Amino acid sequence: KQEVTQIPAALSVPEGENLVLNCSFTDSAIYNLQWFRQDPGKGLTSLLLIQSSQREQTSGRLNASLDKSSGRSTLYIAASQPGDSATYLCAGWTGAGSYQLTFGKGTKLSVIP
Amino acid sequence: ETGVTQTPRHLVMGMTNKKSLKCEQHLGHNAMYWYKQSAKKPLELMFVYNFKEQTENNSVPSRFSPECPNSSHLFLHLHTLQPEDSALYLCASSRQGTGNEKLFFGSGTQLSVL
Repeated sequence: KQEVTQIPAALSVPEGENLVLNCSFTDSAIYNLQWFRQDPGKGLTSLLLIQSSQREQTSGRLNASLDKSSGRSTLYIAASQPGDSATYLCAGWTGAGSYQLTFGKGTKLSVIP
Repeated sequence: ETGVTQTPRHLVMGMTNKKSLKCEQHLGHNAMYWYKQSAKKPLELMFVYNFKEQTENNSVPSRFSPECPNSSHLFLHLHTLQPEDSALYLCASSRQGTGNEKLFFGSGTQLSVL
């Protein structure tokens, strides 16, 4: 059964720092990977989708990469801002004939002004 | 605003009540999903509908009954729930339901079962 680990579980940084969030899968056969952001008591917002033919995606200050050989992904946030404070979740799809995204528990990020 | 609207935002119900959660998407998508998010657990997929047809039921107890009358609307009917069913229930949609596409989530219904 596919499981996803996100490290660290929580992270607090001062404003302006660059930071990296990590995500790893027990089964490295990942077809695609998404990073989401969740604000307290709210739904998820898709930030980046790395599709099967890609290794990384960039959007503004965010960059996500996927190493399929190891089943690991990182989300890099540059010049962090207090508005980046949220929980970040990664989710992978193994493409095993059904739509089953496997989610991690998330990393709770706090950016201190 | 993601284009996926869920109502109600909060719901408190007793174990003998019957209630329904509603989800509507304005994105022209063909696939809709119900997810359950419990404290300190990863999101769990409950049901998937593709072009109004249920394509996945992730071993969900029968006290949860989904309904998808058209590609824009999705319901989750609840009856005789247990306290452990208290959670945030999230609806999502995607264009084709192929897996290789972004998911768009609603804000969720926070359910408390007393």
